[in-house]
Amino acid sequence: GAVVSQHPSWVICKSGTSVKIECRSLDFQATTMFWYRQFPKQSLMLMATSNEGSKATYEQGVEKDKFLINHASLTLSTLTVTSAHPEDSSFYICSARDPGLAGVGNEQFFGPGTRLTVL
Amino acid sequence: QKEVEQDPGPLSVPEGAIVSLNCTYSNSAFQYFMWYRQYSRKGPELLMYTYSSGNKEDGRFTAQVDKSSKYISLFIRDSQPSDSATYLCAMSQGGKLIFGQGTELSVKP
Repeated sequence: GAVVSQHPSWVICKSGTSVKIECRSLDFQATTMFWYRQFPKQSLMLMATSNEGSKATYEQGVEKDKFLINHASLTLSTLTVTSAHPEDSSFYICSARDPGLAGVGNEQFFGPGTRLTVL
Repeated sequence: QKEVEQDPGPLSVPEGAIVSLNCTYSNSAFQYFMWYRQYSRKGPELLMYTYSSGNKEDGRFTAQVDKSSKYISLFIRDSQPSDSATYLCAMSQGGKLIFGQGTELSVKP
């Protein structure tokens, strides 16, 4: 399958600071990427859908001004957690859709995740 | 009611056992059904996907979908300690994935 990377793999920051997480598709061009959040022993919850060259679509209850998403190229999407607080501590996972596989149900490939801890 | 329900476990079995993992769902519009494996502190990896009702087999893994009952299953034969992970079912609608809570599986040597 296709490879998706995330950077950093873990980050610790102070409350009130902003943190940027990168998601890259390494061997395919992804017009659509997704950002998920996963709390311990919980499922993946979709936060937003990121489309290259346009504004992200956020799920209900996700603050778009707090979680800034930029999808400036076909291989890179970034999630910036602004003014992070301890309750934002979580495991953030991105996925990228391979348009060459669209419609067959298996076209999303997941990154390894970024563990954010806000002190 | 959640759209996708999955027993979180934990489930502990001896090596070599047959494991049965299940999910139920409420939205009849779901078209694709996936099973992902997630090791601790890692992203999920796709194990199997199926479309519509029926069975699909891949090595030691078999996925079943019963759309009439809104019920999907994953069977693991001859389970190995390396199968110890969290297994998440997921369903696709309009390009989005809706995940179950995940079942934590431990296979004891």
